[in-house]
Amino acid sequence: NAGVTQTPKFRVLKTGQSMTLLCAQDMNHEYMYWYRQDPGMGLRLIHYSVGEGTTAKGEVPDGYNVSRLKKQNFLLGLESAAPSQTSVYFCASAAGLAGAFDTQYFGPGTRLTVL
Amino acid sequence: DQQVKQNSPSLSVQEGRISILNCDYTNSMFDYFLWYKKYPAEGPTFLISISSIKDKNEDGRFTVFLNKSAKHLSLHIVPSQPGDSAVYFCAASAGSNDYKLSFGAGTTVTVRA
Repeated sequence: NAGVTQTPKFRVLKTGQSMTLLCAQDMNHEYMYWYRQDPGMGLRLIHYSVGEGTTAKGEVPDGYNVSRLKKQNFLLGLESAAPSQTSVYFCASAAGLAGAFDTQYFGPGTRLTVL
Repeated sequence: DQQVKQNSPSLSVQEGRISILNCDYTNSMFDYFLWYKKYPAEGPTFLISISSIKDKNEDGRFTVFLNKSAKHLSLHIVPSQPGDSAVYFCAASAGSNDYKLSFGAGTTVTVRA
């Protein structure tokens, strides 16, 4: 049981390049999330999904797109990377139990540098 | 505007003593609170949580206290151990049907031998 995994672990991009970050979970969780962590800012929600085929904007969605074609996968795309997107990106998942408080389980993170 | 605030970026404590981490929130709709622990180069891991119907929740060495009137919660670690050295994030949710968490900026705890 791997939990939440993220690919790649590290990436360096040039301004204007595109890339996709992959998140996979094997816990059959309904909800999935993408966060970014910046110094002094904590974790900020980029986009999230409450089920296969659904996505929604979080706190800082600009410059990012997401897709949830399969329940176990949540992809985060950067179409035209900018230096302001240099950050550590975390994916998380939660069971999505109706009427219950949910704990989110996090992946190990992807460190992205945009030059 | 951050709705969850951890005003102490760092805390240094001697091994065996108590660590107290504080968290304040502004959104009165928050009614579920969590603490996450994060080691370098790893993702955050869930530590302990508390619902707004309680004012205290205890799990081994970790106790979370909630003061709703003051919109304040704290995490007590007793006794502190070297393995507790990590970044601790406070997070809050606005109800069981709210899918999102709001996080504080984190407090880095260093436990000195």
